[in-house]
Amino acid sequence: AQSVSQHNHHVILSEAASLELGCNYSYGGTVNLFWYVQYPGQHLQLLLKYFSGDPLVKGIKGFEAEFIKSKFSFNLRKPSVQWSDTAEYFCAVNADGGSYQLTFGKGTKLSVIP
Amino acid sequence: EAGVAQSPRYKIIEKRQSVAFWCNPISGHATLYWYQQILGQGPKLLIQFQNNGVVDDSQLPKDRFSAERLKGVDSTLKIQPAKLEDSAVYLCASSYRQGGGTDTQYFGPGTRLTVL
Repeated sequence: AQSVSQHNHHVILSEAASLELGCNYSYGGTVNLFWYVQYPGQHLQLLLKYFSGDPLVKGIKGFEAEFIKSKFSFNLRKPSVQWSDTAEYFCAVNADGGSYQLTFGKGTKLSVIP
Repeated sequence: EAGVAQSPRYKIIEKRQSVAFWCNPISGHATLYWYQQILGQGPKLLIQFQNNGVVDDSQLPKDRFSAERLKGVDSTLKIQPAKLEDSAVYLCASSYRQGGGTDTQYFGPGTRLTVL
């Protein structure tokens, strides 16, 4: 079974700072990778996903993530954060075949200070 | 388009009582998921339906949890009897395609359950 590790529980940044949130997964086969975001008081929503092709994927609101297969990583980045990026970010993975059960990490809470 | 609807939004019960949650997925979505999210953790899949059939219920505590999806649309999740450790947010999600790992899941607002 696959598992997901998110290294940071809570990240605090000032506006305009660069962001990188770590995500590592454990699974030996082909995977599909996702970042979901939950803004305060809102539903979980998809930020971006990777399933094949260019390992650098771009999502909504200027976010991007890079899949590095050799490192089993899928880190989320944004060059300049805004106060509105304050949210909780979840990395998730499913494995090709079977039920494609989505496994989530524990999440990283991002607080952006104006 | 309307999103995934869930009710109730909040529920407080005492241990050993029973509780039920309801979910209405996005119209036309074939796959429906129930997740449990305990405070400080990511969502954990409890059960996945494709139309009205169960695809995966390997993490559903079947001695106390049950779920059904009649007619392949709405779904209910029931806990009977509830334990203190069932306190969590119960999320419902749906996706369009029938199977496939690249499908985007759309989440509802969740039901926050507190068991006293």
